[in-house]
Amino acid sequence: AQSVTQPDIHITVSEGASLELRCNYSYGATPYLFWYVQSPGQGLQLLLKYFSGDTLVQGIKGFEAEFKRSQSSFNLRKPSVHWSDAAEYFCAVGPYGGATNKLIFGTGTLLAVQP
Amino acid sequence: DAGVTQSPTHLIKTRGQQVTLRCSPKSGHDTVSWYQQALGQGPQFIFQYYEEEERQRGNFPDRFSGHQFPNYSSELNVNALLLGDSALYLCASTPSVGFNYGYTFGSGTRLTVV
Repeated sequence: AQSVTQPDIHITVSEGASLELRCNYSYGATPYLFWYVQSPGQGLQLLLKYFSGDTLVQGIKGFEAEFKRSQSSFNLRKPSVHWSDAAEYFCAVGPYGGATNKLIFGTGTLLAVQP
Repeated sequence: DAGVTQSPTHLIKTRGQQVTLRCSPKSGHDTVSWYQQALGQGPQFIFQYYEEEERQRGNFPDRFSGHQFPNYSSELNVNALLLGDSALYLCASTPSVGFNYGYTFGSGTRLTVV
């Protein structure tokens, strides 16, 4: 079955500290992988995406993610967290090859940033 | 350039009533998908519309229906509302050509069923 697992429901980091949010997926074909961020009461904003090629992808707001096929993982990282990064983060997987099908989302990781 | 626009932003309905939510996709996007996000959960796919037809459907009952208009805008209709339908409903658009851009999401409609 297709699924996305985000093992950490809630993470708290200090401002300026590094961050890694975990994402594991189960998918029967080559996936498209995404990270989205959602601020309270808002929709989803795309942080970055992986389709093919270099397994380390750069996104907006200083985020990056690394695709590891052998571990079925797509972890999100940021070297230095800012207070404005406090939000909920969702990992998602979609089918390689077109826009015809759905995205499958994880349950999200809520990030709190301490001053 | 406006992104995905959804209306209304908030809505309160009574159990058993019907509701219609609206979505205007981002300029240049012709494919619209709807997602339901319950509190504390990730978005769940409801269905996708392309060329005014439902192209794929998630695991939602027939009470959930939709429509896409020639200008690519879309409506989500829910009949016989249940308390469990309370959620944030997100619309996402993408171009049918150039999926590399990924989905653009609207800010959602918060539906509360009482």
